[in-house]
Amino acid sequence: QSALTQPPSASGSPGQSVTISCTGTSSDVGAYNYVSWYQQHPGKAPKLIIYEVTKRASGVPDRFSGSKSGNTASLTVSGLQADDEADYYCSSYEGINNLGVFGTGTKVSVL
Amino acid sequence: QVQLVESGGGVVQPGRSLRLSCAASGFAFTDFGMHWARQAPGKGLEWVAVIGHDGNIERYADSVKGRFTISRDNSKNRLYLQMDSLRAEDTALYYCAKGYHTVTHWGQGIRVSVSS
Repeated sequence: QSALTQPPSASGSPGQSVTISCTGTSSDVGAYNYVSWYQQHPGKAPKLIIYEVTKRASGVPDRFSGSKSGNTASLTVSGLQADDEADYYCSSYEGINNLGVFGTGTKVSVL
Repeated sequence: QVQLVESGGGVVQPGRSLRLSCAASGFAFTDFGMHWARQAPGKGLEWVAVIGHDGNIERYADSVKGRFTISRDNSKNRLYLQMDSLRAEDTALYYCAKGYHTVTHWGQGIRVSVSS
């Protein structure tokens, strides 16, 4: 159960866009459309942002979008706002242990 | 609205046991699979275990397999995590979470510290 690979950090100015990658294998990201993205502010529980690769969770603005190509999923945050500054984790269902696997996490900074 | 409230955490010595509980409300508990996840201090998230909606499926992370047991009582809308043979590396904030392939809601977490 190796963690999915994410860049440790990403940043952008208010109004700009940032894209976070999440690279897995043919046993997880590449095999299933059960890829989710979670936002976690310091000291808070994670919050579902994107599920099943492209679907936005209830109440999530359309500035957040997800995609996938092969073994790599991506989260794009457009029109960056101060409140978008948080840690972001991807997660995928994994077919060997039949349990999810998280990404390593990406800290997004709004400059 | 969905509420998940964890309890049962604390400080425990290595090798000892602890049982976490999660009280669920605001949704049809019997219709959903449930997870336990954890986050060590300053570290990332880790899925610990998942259980099917009727308890017929259980899956565990390799790091806890054989030591932890996930269970549920659908008559009480409760999820449990029995943690045996605890190790220092099990020290973390443990979250109860709703969903099987997609986890949609999380509790606020309960701290477990394994230390002599």
